[in-house]
Order: sequence, then C-alpha cells, then structure tokens
Amino acid sequence: DTAVSQTPKYLVTQMGNDKSIKCEQNLGHDTMYWYKQDSKKFLKIMFSYNNKELIINETVPNRFSPKSPDKAHLNLHINSLELGDSAVYFCASSGDRYEAFFGQGTRLTVV
Amino acid sequence: AQSVTQLGSHVSVSEGALVLLRCNYSSSVPPYLFWYVQYPNQGLQLLLKYTSAATLVKGINGFEAEFKKSETSFHLTKPSAHMRDAAEYFCAVSPHNTDKLIFGTGTRLQVFP
Repeated sequence: DTAVSQTPKYLVTQMGNDKSIKCEQNLGHDTMYWYKQDSKKFLKIMFSYNNKELIINETVPNRFSPKSPDKAHLNLHINSLELGDSAVYFCASSGDRYEAFFGQGTRLTVV
Repeated sequence: AQSVTQLGSHVSVSEGALVLLRCNYSSSVPPYLFWYVQYPNQGLQLLLKYTSAATLVKGINGFEAEFKKSETSFHLTKPSAHMRDAAEYFCAVSPHNTDKLIFGTGTRLQVFP
C-alpha cells in the first residue's frame, strides 16, 4: 500500500502548455511538500502545506500553483511550461520534523 | 542560513570495504540532520536522523552516522559495502524553526565487485 503516490510518473509536454501533477498520501500526515530535483540531482523545496494551508513558498515563479483540496492531497499545477521546468518533482509528507516520506517522483520533460 | 556540504560527488569502493560519505553542516545551533538514499528512478528513503539525542545514530541497512559538534560534521559510514548500496546519498538539515529539508548536493556511491 503506497504511502505517498504521485501521478503521472512521466510527463512529456511542449513549451507553453499547462500541466498538473497529483499527489496523495495515506499516512495521515498534516504536512505535505513539493521538491524539485534538477538534472544535477540537486533537490530544493518549492512549497509546503500544513493542513491545507500554505506554509513555505520558496520564491517559485507564479506559473507554479500548488493546491491542497484536503490534507491528504497536494497537487501542483504549472502554467506556460518552459524548457527550464524540466526536472523530477517529488511530493513528500511528514507528521513531524523527524522524517519526510517521499513519493516516487514525476519526471517532467518540456520539449 | 543553514546549509550542508557534501564532500565528494562520487565515491567508489569495493564490495566489503568501508563506506565513508562526508557531510558538514553550517548552523549556529545544532540542527536536525538526516541522511537519505535515492536508488535509481526512485524517491528518497530516510536512512537515519539526528535529533539532539545520541550523537551516534544507527540507521537502516547497516549505516550509521556520528554527529560531531566540534567538527560540524555528520559523516555516514558502513563497515562493509554491498553491491545493493550503490545509490545517491543526500545529507540534509532541517532548521529549527521550519519543517523544510535543505539538501546537500548528493554523493553517488559506486560499489565494485
């Protein structure tokens, strides 16, 4: 039974398109995150939500808009995709500060 | 700002040899520190964590790390490498006033037979 699941796993799209990545966790955690891993494997936090409320927004372009319909879901919508958005996006959740559980990642390729 | 530095983007060892992956942190206050492992095409999995308790922390898969305040280090070790340990390893810090993780640049561990 997957703890943090993301869909889709792979996403190939053209520049200028709008796309969404979905994330769901069944761990009962209050906090969810989006992290971006670039081509050099560098991981950086984008957003965090606690109980549907935005807590962290790490100077991410406005084209990225997270949405949390409930505390088990945190979706990421990206408008007007650019080549530089190509990366692996990881969703994660945590119940405290001691451990974050990560999804399998969504590899986004913008062509 | 708090950060972690991982020395060595690639480490290669023979199967059965000692694994040592280095991580140094910068923080005026001892933070929470973590090691995560990423196997190819997978998400990150927590190996171990330091949360101000015992300075020698034991994790999964035979890994351990020692928090040394005097050296601002949190190096990851395993006495005997196995082929299945080949992966990318990330050191991370969690500042005291936030829930986010700040990652190092990662170290790729290769294990040769």
